[in-house]
Amino acid sequence: QVQLQESGPGLVKPSETLSLTCIVSGGSISSYYWSWLRQPPGKGLEWIGYIYYSGSTNYNPSLKSRLTISVDTSKNQFSLNLSSVTAADTAVYYCAREARGGFDSFDYWGQGTLVTVSS
Amino acid sequence: DIQMTQSPSSLSASVGDRVTITCRASQSISRYLNWYQKKPGKAPKLLIYIVSSLQSGVPSRFSGSGSGTDFTLTISSLQPEDFATYYCQQSYNTPRTFGQGTKVEIK
Repeated sequence: QVQLQESGPGLVKPSETLSLTCIVSGGSISSYYWSWLRQPPGKGLEWIGYIYYSGSTNYNPSLKSRLTISVDTSKNQFSLNLSSVTAADTAVYYCAREARGGFDSFDYWGQGTLVTVSS
Repeated sequence: DIQMTQSPSSLSASVGDRVTITCRASQSISRYLNWYQKKPGKAPKLLIYIVSSLQSGVPSRFSGSGSGTDFTLTISSLQPEDFATYYCQQSYNTPRTFGQGTKVEIK
């Protein structure tokens, strides 16, 4: 059974960089797309971007200028860096696997981690 | 970006009721439409992918239909554990986008 676990600081100061890591266990990170998503308090779900195990990325244009997603296949994990954060970036952040080839959906998710942007 | 619009935004229903939630895309997304269930404090759970395929382990009372721009999630007989918020999501192109959610509450 594939499991994903997010880790990182729960509090980030405005203008600083939000950094999270997602560790994948129970399966290989290879041959799948791996996404970050978030849900601000009281709001809906927003897709942040994905990375393929080979390193190719696709970012949400609304965040692209501040976003970097990277992968470390040797550690079976991928990471999110979001720079110049503001209070609008306060959200529960999720990592998820996107299955393709007739599935094309987020089939496995991490439990989520709340990140608050505040001084 | 493809806009996904769900209706209603919320509904009240009783155990045993048949519940229908609709999702409309701002352009054709073929059959690239998924449904998720979200409970407070929990990660979203994939219910249905590619319009009508039931994810493994999901009860058969959940079903989906549609194509192009109009889609439907149906719960044939609402159970206590089904009270949650439901989201549709398109995987036709990027950025991936979600509907605003439909909250199913106890009547």
